[in-house]
Order: sequence, then structure tokens, then C-alpha cells
Amino acid sequence: NAGVMQNPRHLVRRRGQEARLRCSPMKGHSHVYWYRQLPEEGLKFMVYLQKENIIDESGMPKERFSAEFPKEGPSILRIQQVVRGDSAAYFCASSPKTLLRDRGPGEQYFGPGTRLTVT
Amino acid sequence: QKEVEQDPGPLSVPEGAIVSLNCTYSNSAFQYFMWYRQYSRKGPELLMYTYSSGNKEDGRFTAQVDKSSKYISLFIRDSQPSDSATYLCAMNGNNRLAFGKGNQVVVIP
Repeated sequence: NAGVMQNPRHLVRRRGQEARLRCSPMKGHSHVYWYRQLPEEGLKFMVYLQKENIIDESGMPKERFSAEFPKEGPSILRIQQVVRGDSAAYFCASSPKTLLRDRGPGEQYFGPGTRLTVT
Repeated sequence: QKEVEQDPGPLSVPEGAIVSLNCTYSNSAFQYFMWYRQYSRKGPELLMYTYSSGNKEDGRFTAQVDKSSKYISLFIRDSQPSDSATYLCAMNGNNRLAFGKGNQVVVIP
């Protein structure tokens, strides 16, 4: 039973280029979350998606960042016109449980991450 | 005040010792409490998951939750060198997990 898969594992981009990070959730999971981990910082929530829907993007920077989770294929986190401050580890997590209003997100299982370096 | 506080100081213990880690939080709405283990340059791995106040044991690991004090703990008994990793507390906050900064634990053989 494969876990959460992310690719690429390492990504180097020059300032101004686009970065595209992919995440395939665990089999049977329909909830995907993206987190960013900066050096010396904890994991910070970015966005929560279900198939074809963005449920909560309160942690996403207002500009240059976008995310999608299409009906078919992996979830994509896209960063346009990258800057040095975008260098970080980006983790995707998935969850199997239907989220009820009073139940919270439940267990989340993380992928190995994509380490983005902007030069 | 941050939602989740975890003193990020590194912790070195001799093999066989008990490791004690803790976090405090400020949001009374948090209902689920988790501990993740993260090895260097890897993704976080879910270790313990608790819903209510009290203790939960899983092998050498014990998680404690005290909702009245907004305080959670993780204990590792008979620590092994393979337990050397960063331990992150996390708690749910409406669709997302709020994480502490993590404790780097080193178990010395």
C-alpha cells in the first residue's frame, strides 16, 4: 500500500521561474493538504483541497501561489515567479476521513516532501 | 501568543533513558492531538493520535493530554538510538494541523 507520493524530491529554480510540485495521496484518500517548512520553523499550513475543490486556502500567500486537485491526477502546488524566500521544504499530506463540521481533520499522513531551492 | 508552543531546544539522552516532550496550546477548540516523528530530510510520520484528555500507550510511547491545562506530553521509554529524530506536536484547527516547532532528540548509545 503505497504512501503519499511527492515529486520531484528536489527542485532548483532561478528567481522568476515557475515551480510545480506534485502530490499523489494515499489510495482511498480524497483530502489533500499542503504545508511549508522553513529552516528553524515548524510546519505551516497552506491549503486544503478535495477533488476539484479548494476548501481552505487561508495559509496561502495571496500572490504567486496556487493549488489544484483535479478529478484525475495528482494535486499540484504552483509557485509563479519564485523568489529566494520561497526556498523551503513543501510537504503534502492526505487524509481518509470525511470531514464533519465538528470532527476536525483527523489523521493526516505526510509525503517525503519536495525541497525547493531558488537561486 | 502562538497557537502551539513547543520549546525547540535539542535534547540528548543516554540509551535506555526516558524522553519527555511537551507542548502547550492556546486554542480551546483543538480536539485532536498528535505527535509526529521526523527524521532528517524526511516527511513527518504519525506516531500517536489522541482525541480526549488522558493517556494513550503504544509500545514504548505514551501520549498524555490535559485539556484543562492545554498541555500535551509524549514519553518514550527505554529510548533507542533509532529514536533520534525531531518530534513535532500537532493539533487540529478546522481543516488544518497547527504544529509546534519540534524537538530534536538525540539518543546516545
